Amino acid sequence: DGGITQSPKYLFRKEGQNVTLSCEQNLNHDAMYWYRQDPGQGLRLIYYSQIVNDFQKGDIAEGYSVSREKKESFPLTVTSAQKNPTAFYLCASSVGRGYTFGSGTRLTVV
Amino acid sequence: AQKITQTQPGMFVQEKEAVTLDCTYDTSDPSYGLFWYKQPSSGEMIFLIYQGSYDQQNATEGRYSLNFQKARKSANLVISASQLGDSAMYFCAMRESGYSTLTFGKGTMLLVSP
Repeated sequence: DGGITQSPKYLFRKEGQNVTLSCEQNLNHDAMYWYRQDPGQGLRLIYYSQIVNDFQKGDIAEGYSVSREKKESFPLTVTSAQKNPTAFYLCASSVGRGYTFGSGTRLTVV
Repeated sequence: AQKITQTQPGMFVQEKEAVTLDCTYDTSDPSYGLFWYKQPSSGEMIFLIYQGSYDQQNATEGRYSLNFQKARKSANLVISASQLGDSAMYFCAMRESGYSTLTFGKGTMLLVSP
């Protein structure tokens, strides 16, 4: 079945460490996105990519980095510069007005 | 200014009753799309319904309908005959022309009681 796979589901890291969240899709979608979700804040856009080897900052890109070397993959790195990285991270892809979301990664920094 | 406003942090409804979740939006773009998603406690986002700005009729999908009032810039979700499984967070989102990104509201938590 086609879909988006985010791994791992839960991730714990020590403060000051970089961590990379995986997002893989087999839907052949060109566009991919990363959103951050905090309680009471809804989903906020971190980065998005509309084509391989190209990506744009979203509303809250500071402290994050991404790459898009393959159409299927859009990994997100949470760097030590991100002041409050503990959150739920959702990856999505789209074609037309059809959006598919992954099941999310819950990152906890201790 | 917020592009999507959901003013109801939480809503309660009894099983089998109808409930309306409010959403207002702000855009100067004449071409846009409005989406509603359901997010159960497991975290996945489930697409419910879509309304395009040029659609003449309000969208309906099974028990879900969208009360689209373009002049008032509102796109309220109506769930008829609520079920216990409808308990979840509900998000309204907008996509403007020229962009593929979705802008989300802060969500409404719906609790359905027996």
